[in-house]
Amino acid sequence: DIQLTQSPSFLSASIGDRVTITCRASQGISSYVAWYQQKPGKAPNLLIYAASTLHSGVPSRFSGSGSGTEFTLTISSLQPEDFATYYCQQLTSYSDTFGQGTRLEIK
Amino acid sequence: EVQLVESGGGLVKPGGSLRLSCAASGFTFSTYNMNWVRQAPGRGLEWVSSISSDSNYIYYPDSVRGRFTISRDDAKNSLYLQMNSLRAEDTAVYYCARAGDGYSYDYWGQGTLVTVSS
Repeated sequence: DIQLTQSPSFLSASIGDRVTITCRASQGISSYVAWYQQKPGKAPNLLIYAASTLHSGVPSRFSGSGSGTEFTLTISSLQPEDFATYYCQQLTSYSDTFGQGTRLEIK
Repeated sequence: EVQLVESGGGLVKPGGSLRLSCAASGFTFSTYNMNWVRQAPGRGLEWVSSISSDSNYIYYPDSVRGRFTISRDDAKNSLYLQMNSLRAEDTAVYYCARAGDGYSYDYWGQGTLVTVSS
């Protein structure tokens, strides 16, 4: 099975900061990566699919990049509503595994 | 508007069974692959099962294979998860999610809580 490792697991940042979260796959997965945001007690929301395509309605401060085994999610200027947990997901093999998550908190 | 509404969660004893349902609306259910994802309390997301639009392709991780069965009824716009031989580690919120056109899960339900405890 393909494993995904996110880093960091925890991130403390301030409003207006630029932050980057990395997701590394245990083997090449082309660009079949999605990113989700989850707030406490809520279902995840899709942010990015196909590694770099912004889902409808998602603010342009979110962006994704990468291919093969290394992927990144970048938030260009943190807003108060962005403090949440973020997950990457791979959708290539017969198991659509998730990374362990990155919790983003206010500094 | 796309809506996914899960139901059927609750408290069940170890070794017991439970059937979850997901009612879909706002899209042509029969043309989409569908999925179940779970989240144990305080933990991350775990993929549980996927079913293709024609039900010909069904997948599970090792953690639930042989105990859980995914199915769908396109006439009722519904997705199901039959869970047998439940264990304490199956305790989680279970979400149904639609597989979007671009290799992602683009819509999610609000989740239903399953608690396995004696």
